[in-house]
Amino acid sequence: GAGVSQSPSNKVTEKGKDVELRCDPISGHTALYWYRQSLGQGLEFLIYFQGNSAPDKSGLPSDRFSAERTGGSVSTLTIQRTQQEDSAVYLCASSLAGRAYQETQYFGPGTRLLVL
Amino acid sequence: DAKTTQPNSMESNEEEPVHLPCNHSTISGTDYIHWYRQLPSQGPEYVIHGLTSNVNNRMASLAIAEDRKSSTLILHRATLRDAAVYYCIRQLGNTPLVFGKGTRLSVIA
Repeated sequence: GAGVSQSPSNKVTEKGKDVELRCDPISGHTALYWYRQSLGQGLEFLIYFQGNSAPDKSGLPSDRFSAERTGGSVSTLTIQRTQQEDSAVYLCASSLAGRAYQETQYFGPGTRLLVL
Repeated sequence: DAKTTQPNSMESNEEEPVHLPCNHSTISGTDYIHWYRQLPSQGPEYVIHGLTSNVNNRMASLAIAEDRKSSTLILHRATLRDAAVYYCIRQLGNTPLVFGKGTRLSVIA
């Protein structure tokens, strides 16, 4: 079946511009996660959506980062006024249902963001 | 502190077993141990998880020490496709998974 998909695969932008990254979770999965991975580093948790509950935004590094999830499915991560340190691979994952973080997460291929 | 300790890198010969260690000395009774791996240029994929008992699935086995302060991921016969970064993650209750730097496994033909 279809896995988690992300678009674009690669994004090059100029410092100061806004970018939007998209994630399509596996159909039927109610939980959605965003992470970022800088070169040679582990994954850094950003934000978590579960059903209609308020999202866990505890990992967002600054107020330039925001995310929304419309209709309980597709999610968009927005980075405003991008900085060079935002360059990383942004990974999205989804999981089936409400045991929060204890469930198996299925990851997409990521969006590689380069801020010049 | 959700940290686990893993070796930075390990090497294995093809078709031999691989034992990937992980220390989680401050683990508490309800914390799960998860293993994910990340192949080159891909997102991570789930490998296995456990709480107290040893676990087996089609990909690997997970051996958890009796005191739960350490665990070992066992790949029974390494293949070239198993070359990846392996993350051992201790999950504290209802909190996000914290991925460290993991162990980079190289498999030699």
